Amino acid sequence: KNQVEQSPQSLIILEGKNCTLQCNYTVSPFSNLRWYKQDTGRGPVSLTIMTFSENTKSNGRYTATLDADTKQSSLHITASQLSDSASYICVVSAFSGNTGKLIFGQGTTLQVKP
Amino acid sequence: DGGITQSPKYLFRKEGQNVTLSCEQNLNHDAMYWYRQDPGQGLRLIYYSQIVNDFQKGDIAEGYSVSREKKESFPLTVTSAQKNPTAFYLCASSTRGRRNQPQHFGDGTRLSIL
Repeated sequence: KNQVEQSPQSLIILEGKNCTLQCNYTVSPFSNLRWYKQDTGRGPVSLTIMTFSENTKSNGRYTATLDADTKQSSLHITASQLSDSASYICVVSAFSGNTGKLIFGQGTTLQVKP
Repeated sequence: DGGITQSPKYLFRKEGQNVTLSCEQNLNHDAMYWYRQDPGQGLRLIYYSQIVNDFQKGDIAEGYSVSREKKESFPLTVTSAQKNPTAFYLCASSTRGRRNQPQHFGDGTRLSIL
């Protein structure tokens, strides 16, 4: 069964601190892994997309890593800001031929406190 | 600016009533999607459309219907057959056939029961 599991479910950190969110997946055939940021009451916004051959990708203070062997990904946030408070969603894409499917994790809710 | 517009932002449904959620995009994307988001769960696919006048059921299509008469528009009707419609509904679009392109999301419609 295709699954994406994220941890922790929620996280509270102080402004300026770093944090790392985890994503484990069992998806086949794997095509790519995406991280999205979703502010409360808004739609998700894409942060990074990584294919099988990519180990790391950055977007400003956000750095995603991918270990395709262990089927794990992490999202590292550096020098957190209050605006980083949001839900972070890991999404794995399974593609076969021209048919694709996205499998969504349940998200990690991050709260950054002053 | 290009984007996806969902309306209304909040919607209330009475017993036995059908309601329609609007989704319009000006990104010139061929593919459009409807997701349902419930607390603590990953997004679940309701319906998707790869091209005008064609659409397919997703994982939880029962109690929902869609149409795709124009490239820009993909309305979702929540019928009275959907017994648990309270959720956050997200519309997304993407470039068809491009595996490593992100899905762009609207800002959602929150549907509640009166």
